[in-house]
Amino acid sequence: DTEVTQTPKHLVMGMTNKKSLKCEQHMGHRAMYWYKQKAKKPPELMFVYSYEKLSINESVPSRFSPECPNSSLLNLHLHALQPEDSALYLCASSQERRLNYGYTFGSGTRLTVV
Amino acid sequence: KQEVTQIPAALSVPEGENLVLNCSFTDSAIYNLQWFRQDPGKGLTSLLLIQSSQREQTSGRLNASLDKSSGRSTLYIAASQPGDSATYLCAVRENFNKFYFGSGTKLNVKP
Repeated sequence: DTEVTQTPKHLVMGMTNKKSLKCEQHMGHRAMYWYKQKAKKPPELMFVYSYEKLSINESVPSRFSPECPNSSLLNLHLHALQPEDSALYLCASSQERRLNYGYTFGSGTRLTVV
Repeated sequence: KQEVTQIPAALSVPEGENLVLNCSFTDSAIYNLQWFRQDPGKGLTSLLLIQSSQREQTSGRLNASLDKSSGRSTLYIAASQPGDSATYLCAVRENFNKFYFGSGTKLNVKP
């Protein structure tokens, strides 16, 4: 299995809703990432998990709450989002501490906040 | 801070043409450089990964080169096809968590 699987593919939520994005990989990668991508812009790093521990938070608002319950799964919990949070959310994974390896990305979740 | 630039921002070519996409980076202390393809509204598909010690990598009609000392990489696409139409992103890895993207080149191959 050489894929990163993200669900759902599309999500529409109201500003008072609580929802979660899910990311799963079975490649044995111990580093997992959340990126946010706005239209016509490159992906921007949000969070990095290393060995199931949060190692990087790029000053992301607290309405985004990441969780890594095990080495294969990464969640992003969403609460009280704003319309400007609408974007494509990408998950990625890589070999921890093997810097000669590249990143594997999922196909993303298209989030619309109404 | 590392800055990654991709030129041109957009490119339109007729089918069958060979083309080159450019990527430059400001800090040569990188571990590797990765080229991705992104279709509209989709995730990133890895095309080629070049280690800092390598000069080029090839996959099918794609060839990527790396000149680390000058901070440049090129992605060469031979005999372009309409199915190659997408946005192409390059990204450089400085360490475990530092992965810098360029802003991408949007390619349109006309039938």
